[in-house]
Amino acid sequence: GQQVMQIPQYQHVQEGEDFTTYCNSSTTLSNIQWYKQRPGGHPVFLIQLVKSGEVKKQKRLTFQFGEAKKNSSLHITATQTTDVGTYFCAVLGSAGNNRKLIWGLGTSLAVNP
Amino acid sequence: SAVISQKPSRDICQRGTSLTIQCQVDSQVTMMFWYRQQPGQSLTLIATANQGSEATYESGFVIDKFPISRPNLTFSTLTVSNMSPEDSSIYLCSVWGGRSSYEQYFGPGTRLTVT
Repeated sequence: GQQVMQIPQYQHVQEGEDFTTYCNSSTTLSNIQWYKQRPGGHPVFLIQLVKSGEVKKQKRLTFQFGEAKKNSSLHITATQTTDVGTYFCAVLGSAGNNRKLIWGLGTSLAVNP
Repeated sequence: SAVISQKPSRDICQRGTSLTIQCQVDSQVTMMFWYRQQPGQSLTLIATANQGSEATYESGFVIDKFPISRPNLTFSTLTVSNMSPEDSSIYLCSVWGGRSSYEQYFGPGTRLTVT
């Protein structure tokens, strides 16, 4: 079945440093989504990318979809302690009556103040 | 976006018993999803529940163990049957964001511990 690989699994940074997580697929993706899950919380939708080469920004977060639509990245500039959590990418599975999301394993971000 | 509530928020249960988790959405939705998330892990889809039809279970999950009800367009239940400690996990329900939107919105989750 379709899979999406996410790296790194963990990242520990000092506050103010940048952070990037990557998602890769062996197949072309129709879209990719990013979610954030705070410790003890539930996943919260951040953004969806659908176009080749698309770049979207949300304040200090920059999301990118690769030209071949097989990879994506989430970059956080100047991390803050509020960025702590696990970041998941998710891709839409095969078309049909029961579409579902295929989830990456997540990147857990810890930020030292 | 949809607002989703789940009950209970947490529970501690004895092995061999069953627990029913409720999921309530503030708007009518066709599909509801039930996930399991073990500590520090990613989300694993248990089943998709469409109103008016049998739930569709993912590989490794069976109806006898995880029966699902979907009586209307705003409500669903997931039962974890004959529990064992391996069922200790967070159970999440979710829905699609909108008519043609494929982002998912999640309930707050049910933290289940089986002793």
